[in-house]
Amino acid sequence: DAGVIQSPRHEVTEMGQEVTLRCKPISGHDYLFWYRQTMMRGLELLIYFNNNVPIDDSGMPEDRFSAKMPNASFSTLKIQPSEPRDSAVYFCASSLRGAGTNEQYFGPGTRLTVT
Amino acid sequence: AQRVTQPEKLLSVFKGAPVELKCNYSYSGSPELFWYVQYSRQRLQLLLRHISRESIKGFTADLNKGETSFHLKKPFAQEEDSAMYYCALRAPGTYKYIFGTGTRLKVLA
Repeated sequence: DAGVIQSPRHEVTEMGQEVTLRCKPISGHDYLFWYRQTMMRGLELLIYFNNNVPIDDSGMPEDRFSAKMPNASFSTLKIQPSEPRDSAVYFCASSLRGAGTNEQYFGPGTRLTVT
Repeated sequence: AQRVTQPEKLLSVFKGAPVELKCNYSYSGSPELFWYVQYSRQRLQLLLRHISRESIKGFTADLNKGETSFHLKKPFAQEEDSAMYYCALRAPGTYKYIFGTGTRLKVLA
């Protein structure tokens, strides 16, 4: 298994543009998480899904952010319109309920730069 | 409010010296605590969790409910321990994780 897959790995865009980040969780995992990592705030949970249903989106910073999970093997995080303060590394993670450690498996991250 | 505090952004120690990465949490209840680590050019991964009470790569962490702390310790640091370390809390009954801001550990030769 290649683990959690994220694309693109790097994204540079101009302020005001729409950005879509993609994630493929580990096959069979029923939880999917989106995180944002910045120097100032560390790792922040934005939203998580269970069986494709959003459970908690209280970490989504503004209405400009939206996330979907149309099926068990794909999720997107969209920012529209993007702003320079959205520049960060965005991580996707997945886990399997009842798998002992409740460990989250992280993807490699997408480094977003908004100019 | 639920919160995880890692007071040190950067911790530098010499090889062979003891290491302690501090983590304090704020939660009214009995959360589950974790340490995650990110080595250079690798993915963030679980290092250990308090329920397991195990030692991983020589690291241990004891949950102190009185002081609401979950400090990560290793008696003798090695250069390969250099990495970013995150302390995290999970509220019981949910899968909502709260991470600290992280501590970068540098082990000097």
